[in-house]
Amino acid sequence: QVQVQESGPGLVKPSETLSLTCTVSGGSISDYYWTWIRQPAGKGLEWIGRIFSTGTTNYNPSLKSRVTMSVDTSKRQVSLRLSSVVAADTAVYFCARERIAVSGTSALDFWGQGILVIVSS
Amino acid sequence: DIQMTQSPSSLSASVGDRVTITCQASQDISYYLNWYQQKPGKAPKLLIYDASNLETGVPSRFSGSGFGTDFSFTISSLQPEDIATYYCQQHDYFPWTFGQGTEVEIK
Repeated sequence: QVQVQESGPGLVKPSETLSLTCTVSGGSISDYYWTWIRQPAGKGLEWIGRIFSTGTTNYNPSLKSRVTMSVDTSKRQVSLRLSSVVAADTAVYFCARERIAVSGTSALDFWGQGILVIVSS
Repeated sequence: DIQMTQSPSSLSASVGDRVTITCQASQDISYYLNWYQQKPGKAPKLLIYDASNLETGVPSRFSGSGFGTDFSFTISSLQPEDIATYYCQQHDYFPWTFGQGTEVEIK
């Protein structure tokens, strides 16, 4: 069974860079997209972007100037960096596996439990 | 961005009731629509993919339908463990976007 686990600092100061890691176990990291999604308290889900195991990325245009994703297949890890954070970036951040069917359709089938990141001085 | 509008925002129903949630896309997304269930403090869970396909291991009381811009999600017989917020998500155009969620409660 695939397991996904987010890790990183729970508190980040304004203007600094949020850095999170997603570690995958129980399954291959290759041949899948790995997606970051966030959820402010009491609110809905926002897609941040995704990275394929080869390093190909797609980012949400609303965050693109501040987002960087990377993958380390040897460590089975995916990383998210979000620069110049502000209070509005406070949220639970989820990492999820995106499976892609032969037809090209996709679904987020395995999720981490999420990690709360608070932006505050 | 494609806007996904769910209705209602919340609902209250009795155990055994049939519950339906709708999701409207701001433009044609074919069948590129997934449904997720999120319980408090937990990650979302995939229930339905590509508008109408039941994810493996998901109870058959959950179903989905629709194409183009109008979609629906149904729980045929509401169970106490179905108390959650349900989200639709389009995966036709970047950025992927979610509906605002529908909170389902037991009456």
